[in-house]
Amino acid sequence: DTAVSQTPKYLVTQMGNDKSIKCEQNLGHDTMYWYKQDSKKFLKIMFSYNNKELIINETVPNRFSPKSPDKAHLNLHINSLELGDSAVYFCASSQDLGWASGNTGELFFGEGSRLTVL
Amino acid sequence: SQQGEEDPQALSIQEGENATMNCSYKTSINNLQWYRQNSGRGLVHLILIRSNEREKHSGRLRVTLDTSKKSSSLLITASRAADTASYFCATDGGFKTIFGAGTRLFVKA
Repeated sequence: DTAVSQTPKYLVTQMGNDKSIKCEQNLGHDTMYWYKQDSKKFLKIMFSYNNKELIINETVPNRFSPKSPDKAHLNLHINSLELGDSAVYFCASSQDLGWASGNTGELFFGEGSRLTVL
Repeated sequence: SQQGEEDPQALSIQEGENATMNCSYKTSINNLQWYRQNSGRGLVHLILIRSNEREKHSGRLRVTLDTSKKSSSLLITASRAADTASYFCATDGGFKTIFGAGTRLFVKA
């Protein structure tokens, strides 16, 4: 049973296209995230949702639109893809939001979706 | 900029040796975590150390935290080829977890 699963694992597409990545977690967590990892392995948060509500939007271009139909799912849609969007996108979840007392803040990651824009 | 910065960027050792990775951060924290990422995989949580703790152990892992120097270290003892991976420190930044640039560890059999 995969805790955090995201699809597709690989995505190769042309500039200007629109694509989506889906993520589902079966851990019963309240919070989900999208992270972007570039070619130098830098991992940067893009969005976080808590109980379907957007909490963090880290100055990501509005070509990126997350959607959380329920707290177990967080999808990422990207419009008008650009070369610089090529990266590995990771979905993650945590039990609660933030690192408040009693929360470990531990993140559970999916296996990543490698997006290549040609 | 990144909250955590790891040092060294890359480390190559022989199986059986110890590996030490360091992490420095800029602002005060509540907790610090270490994660491992195998090639082509997602990150996996290794250990958490709270700001009021100085040292923590988990199996072959030993983590230290020095809040006065804003630094942490991860020691892997008796390394194995299977420890080959990237290791990231992560700190709390409000409602988000901020990752360092990572140390790439290569353990030669």
